[in-house]
Amino acid sequence: QKEVEQDPGPLSVPEGAIVSLNCTYSNSAFQYFMWYRQYSRKGPELLMYTYSSGNKEDGRFTAQVDKSSKYISLFIRDSQPSDSATYLCAMEPGNTGKLIFGQGTTLQVKP
Amino acid sequence: GAVVSQHPSWVICKSGTSVKIECRSLDFQATTMFWYRQFPKQSLMLMATSNEGSKATYEQGVEKDKFLINHASLTLSTLTVTSAHPEDSSFYICSAPGRVSGETQYFGPGTRLLVL
Repeated sequence: QKEVEQDPGPLSVPEGAIVSLNCTYSNSAFQYFMWYRQYSRKGPELLMYTYSSGNKEDGRFTAQVDKSSKYISLFIRDSQPSDSATYLCAMEPGNTGKLIFGQGTTLQVKP
Repeated sequence: GAVVSQHPSWVICKSGTSVKIECRSLDFQATTMFWYRQFPKQSLMLMATSNEGSKATYEQGVEKDKFLINHASLTLSTLTVTSAHPEDSSFYICSAPGRVSGETQYFGPGTRLLVL
């Protein structure tokens, strides 16, 4: 079993839709949770970073962490074609700097 | 956010040659940097931790003699793929911690390596 599980998709939605991306994990030592966006042939770009259970909002993006269920989510409101990319969840056990990534979910937002 | 650069952005080489990839933290110092590898349609896998002034630490299954890491200064880490083979073809990405304590990793744009 992988430490971090993420549905690779692909996920296709119409413009304006609400997108829900999810990851589950098995390691209770994970303390920091991140979402990255990666465009084709580019490095990952940090979208959201949180270390506690609950919700964190930034513009159209909301990150949700449920440590009791070992489940994290990223919601994208009013999705745009420019949101089409691969979204990677990542987790860090303590303040080690070492990130464990999910497989990534490919999202396509159709105009 | 912090900016990390990589050079070159892509490289094609013949089998058996060595390739050096540079990772630089721009306008901030990074005593630690990380090297990841990403195969097509797969996630990033941590290869090693680069430590300024000391030896790199490698993840299990990564050959340290094949992937040489040198953290020459507080803003530069290099990864050398020695005697590259076609199976080493991949997307190599470095990262560095943010400038503010508690910030997470910022990634470089990646280097695409193709070994013929």
